[in-house]
Amino acid sequence: DQQVKQNSPSLSVQEGRISILNCDYTNSMFDYFLWYKKYPAEGPTFLISISSIKDKNEDGRFTVFLNKSAKHLSLHIVPSQPGDSAVYFCAARGNSGGSNYKLTFGKGTLLTVNP
Amino acid sequence: KAGVTQTPRYLIKTRGQQVTLSCSPISGHRSVSWYQQTPGQGLQFLFEYFSETQRNKGNFPGRFSGRQFSNSRSEMNVSTLELGDSALYLCASSLEGRGGGYTFGSGTRLTVV
Repeated sequence: DQQVKQNSPSLSVQEGRISILNCDYTNSMFDYFLWYKKYPAEGPTFLISISSIKDKNEDGRFTVFLNKSAKHLSLHIVPSQPGDSAVYFCAARGNSGGSNYKLTFGKGTLLTVNP
Repeated sequence: KAGVTQTPRYLIKTRGQQVTLSCSPISGHRSVSWYQQTPGQGLQFLFEYFSETQRNKGNFPGRFSGRQFSNSRSEMNVSTLELGDSALYLCASSLEGRGGGYTFGSGTRLTVV
């Protein structure tokens, strides 16, 4: 049972435009959500996170939106740059017991930003 | 400040063998987690250690085990290797292990033939 879903395996956008990556989750016990970016042959790099008590968090070109009622979050990248081309993972953390100490990841979305 | 170091970077093993992977966390980080990345399943949680104690374990068979030493370095072991164990094994460290502050290493690419 996949608790964190990224339904788009890939996304292609033009440089300078907005990239929107989506993520859905099913477990209402998740209280913290994170986005990671991964280049080939490297480990994931933390991008931005959001607590379940907020609906938006912004950091430079990156903004994450959370819609708790829909159990949906999205990552907006504006403007998109060729160096943003990578696999983006959505991850979620539980709020009790052992689930505090693990991240549940989606399968990732490959973003390609074309010059 | 040195990052998370995983050794070796690449490994080729034969079915039935066992393997040990090593992870050195960022200095001062006491939590170490392990994840398996495969093309079909994405990143899946294996286990998390804090102060030499396993606090959480993912849904993997008992062939997968780990431990943490007093200096926070961690090892994971896979016994009786199967072809399906071929994957990128990632280690992540953090101060307390509550998800948000995880820093990942570059991983160990294990190929089982």
